[in-house]
Amino acid sequence: EDQVTQSPEALRLQEGESSSLNCSYTVSGLRGLFWYRQDPGKGPEFLFTLYSAGEEKEKERLKATLTKKESFLHITAPKPEDSATYLCAVHNFNKFYFGSGTKLNVKP
Amino acid sequence: EAQVTQNPRYLITVTGKKLTVTCSQNMNHEYMSWYRQDPGLGLRQIYYSMNVEVTDKGDVPEGYKVSRKEKRNFPLILESPSPNQTSLYFCASSLGPGFYEQYFGPGTRLTVT
Repeated sequence: EDQVTQSPEALRLQEGESSSLNCSYTVSGLRGLFWYRQDPGKGPEFLFTLYSAGEEKEKERLKATLTKKESFLHITAPKPEDSATYLCAVHNFNKFYFGSGTKLNVKP
Repeated sequence: EAQVTQNPRYLITVTGKKLTVTCSQNMNHEYMSWYRQDPGLGLRQIYYSMNVEVTDKGDVPEGYKVSRKEKRNFPLILESPSPNQTSLYFCASSLGPGFYEQYFGPGTRLTVT
């Protein structure tokens, strides 16, 4: 069964304290792994797409990496405005499977 | 402005009363999808559409119907809503199903009593 698991469920960081979010997946034929950011009361907003193991992408303080079984979203020196829920999703045969997200809270 | 719109944004209804949630995109996207989001369960795909008149089931299609008669519109129909369909619903669109980012609507919060 295709499945996406994210950890931790919640993460509290001090401003400037770097950390990583994990997304592990089991799919029969991965076509792409996506990271989204979701702010309260809003729809998810696209961050990254990763296609193959070893791939890395960066955007400001965020860096996403992909292995054969998991992806990491590294947050370097986070700021309070990075507080949000981060969602991971995988694409397989025209369908998408999302994890339940990691709620990040960055305190000043 | 490129966007996905949903209406209504909030809806409270009673068990068994048919309802439709509309979704429209102005980006000429071929792929459209409906999700429901529940605490602890994340986003789950209900139905998706590859193009006009082409729809297929996602992970949780029971109790829902969709249609795609025009490229820009993808309504979600609940013919006999039940309390377990109380949820936050999102419509999304993208150029295609595979490598393209999805653009999400603002969400519709549905309560069925």
